[in-house]
Amino acid sequence: GQQVMQIPQYQHVQEGEDFTTYCNSSTTLSNIQWYKQRPGGHPVFLIQLVKSGEVKKQKRLTFQFGEAKKNSSLHITATQTTDVGTYFCAGRGSGTYKYIFGTGTRLKVLA
Amino acid sequence: EPEVTQTPSHQVTQMGQEVILRCVPISNHLYFYWYRQILGQKVEFLVSFYNNEISEKSEIFDDQFSVERPDGSNFTLKIRSTKLEDSAMYFCASSAQTGPAPGGYTFGSGTRLTVV
Repeated sequence: GQQVMQIPQYQHVQEGEDFTTYCNSSTTLSNIQWYKQRPGGHPVFLIQLVKSGEVKKQKRLTFQFGEAKKNSSLHITATQTTDVGTYFCAGRGSGTYKYIFGTGTRLKVLA
Repeated sequence: EPEVTQTPSHQVTQMGQEVILRCVPISNHLYFYWYRQILGQKVEFLVSFYNNEISEKSEIFDDQFSVERPDGSNFTLKIRSTKLEDSAMYFCASSAQTGPAPGGYTFGSGTRLTVV
């Protein structure tokens, strides 16, 4: 079945440093979503990417969808302590309505 | 901002007992989902529900699990005979449409199920 992996599993950065998490799917995706889960919280929708090669920005966050629609990345510029949490990608294959969540990247930001 | 509401927030049950987890999705959403997350692990798909029937389910969603939308607002997940490995956080989610849903899924705050 479809598998979605993310690297790294954990990342500790100093406040102000950049952070990137990478998401790779075993199959081609129709679209991909990104979620953030704060410690003890629930996943909160950040963004959706649909087109091959798409790039979207939200303030300090930049999201990319690969040309082959099998991978994606989330880059945070100049991290802040409020960025702490686990970032999940969630991919949807063709012919299905369900989103498969990636393994997640847990980000810790040291002040 | 509209919310997905889940009750209870924490449920402790004896192994072999039945539990019902409740969710009130956002009122104008049409698609409903259950996911679960074992502590510290990834979010796993259980089932999707549309037009009063299951549209998709995962291998985890075996005969011990069932979902229902008994009235116009509630969406429930029943586990008939709980096992220790059912201990997890169960999240309900809803979306206005499936496929490239512009707003993504809205998740509830979850029910932490502990089977003892």
